[in-house]
Amino acid sequence: KAGVTQTPRYLIKTRGQQVTLSCSPISGHRSVSWYQQTPGQGLQFLFEYFSETQRNKGNFPGRFSGRQFSNSRSEMNVSTLELGDSALYLCASTGGDYGYTFGSGTRLTVV
Amino acid sequence: AQSVTQPDIHITVSEGASLELRCNYSYGATPYLFWYVQSPGQGLQLLLKYFSGDTLVQGIKGFEAEFKRSQSSFNLRKPSVHWSDAAEYFCAVVPRGLSNFGNEKLTFGTGTRLTIIP
Repeated sequence: KAGVTQTPRYLIKTRGQQVTLSCSPISGHRSVSWYQQTPGQGLQFLFEYFSETQRNKGNFPGRFSGRQFSNSRSEMNVSTLELGDSALYLCASTGGDYGYTFGSGTRLTVV
Repeated sequence: AQSVTQPDIHITVSEGASLELRCNYSYGATPYLFWYVQSPGQGLQLLLKYFSGDTLVQGIKGFEAEFKRSQSSFNLRKPSVHWSDAAEYFCAVVPRGLSNFGNEKLTFGTGTRLTIIP
């Protein structure tokens, strides 16, 4: 079966802009979670969605937001980009077996 | 506080040698345990996971891990490494006993970078 698809793979944005990243989970998976990976902070949890509802949120500013659609696809948005938002953004989809399956990520560079 | 520790930031191993990557956790109850591997610029691939039962878990790519409750450890092993095993390895945990799977975050260790020398 198809894996987790994240688009785009790479993005370059300017400070102050906003960006939207997309994640399509494995078919049948209803939980999607997002993580930020940076060299300094490692892998940090952003938020998790299940059936279009945010169930859990990490310790990130309100500039980071997300949503999930009825087909389980999820988007995350970062507004007013800062240099420190440069990171690899990973999403994971989860089925009923705690199998957190990750996508290849979106590499965001803020200049 | 709940935490996951990978004591080794970087390990170098000769091709064909055995490998052990360490992972220790600090949780009130034994969490669900995972090992992931990440190649440069790529996402995370699940190697294996432990929920309950046999404490020796077999994974993909010839990896195995042993859960030791007394030591709060979940070390990853491979009897003979290949050059393609060079990557970063992450141990991760999720608290046990949740009513809705997936809503608890994975907490990751800081990772161990594995270098293979010929």
